Amino acid sequence: TQLLEQSPQFLSIQEGENLTVYCNSSSVFSSLQWYRQEPGEGPVLLVTVVTGGEVKKLKRLTFQFGDARKDSSLHITAAQPGDTGLYLCAGPLISSGSARQLTFGSGTQLTVLP
Amino acid sequence: NAGVTQTPKFRILKIGQSMTLQCTQDMNHNYMYWYRQDPGMGLKLIYYSVGAGITDKGEVPNGYNVSRSTTEDFPLRLELAAPSQTSVYFCASSYLADRYPQYFGPGTRLTVL
Repeated sequence: TQLLEQSPQFLSIQEGENLTVYCNSSSVFSSLQWYRQEPGEGPVLLVTVVTGGEVKKLKRLTFQFGDARKDSSLHITAAQPGDTGLYLCAGPLISSGSARQLTFGSGTQLTVLP
Repeated sequence: NAGVTQTPKFRILKIGQSMTLQCTQDMNHNYMYWYRQDPGMGLKLIYYSVGAGITDKGEVPNGYNVSRSTTEDFPLRLELAAPSQTSVYFCASSYLADRYPQYFGPGTRLTVL
């Protein structure tokens, strides 16, 4: 059972279009992270959201954490080919009273066509 | 800083062979992790370590072993390789857990035939 469900799994759009990808869970998370992974490389952190309802902007990327801290979204404005990659959300798992592990969603593979 | 380095980048094993995937970080991070990534899937945690001498199992530890004798190094050992272990393996490190970012190495692509 995947604790973090990401949708859509694949997304192919033209340069200049807007898009939103989602990360949903039935569990409450103390924080959520978004990573981007390019082919042949490891994931790189984009942002961490920690407060319910929080909105963070990173140039053309807007990240939102749901009020109930069970979901998050990533909105890209005017997508560019350089935005192509696998977008992963991740949240800390609490066990034995501490959060030592991250659980990752299965990712959204984004392709932006020129 | 080199960050997190992994060797080798690629490896082909025959069924039943063994190998060690190397991981080194130069950021003095306490936490280190090993993940595997299969096509169309996210990252699955194999093992992690919260400091030298301390390791613990993740979600998919069967068929793997780890050790952490120093802060910098966290090797992953595959004993008796099986085709199901064909995957891309990533090592990562972080200063602390929870909301702290994880820094990933470039990965090792392993094929077991």
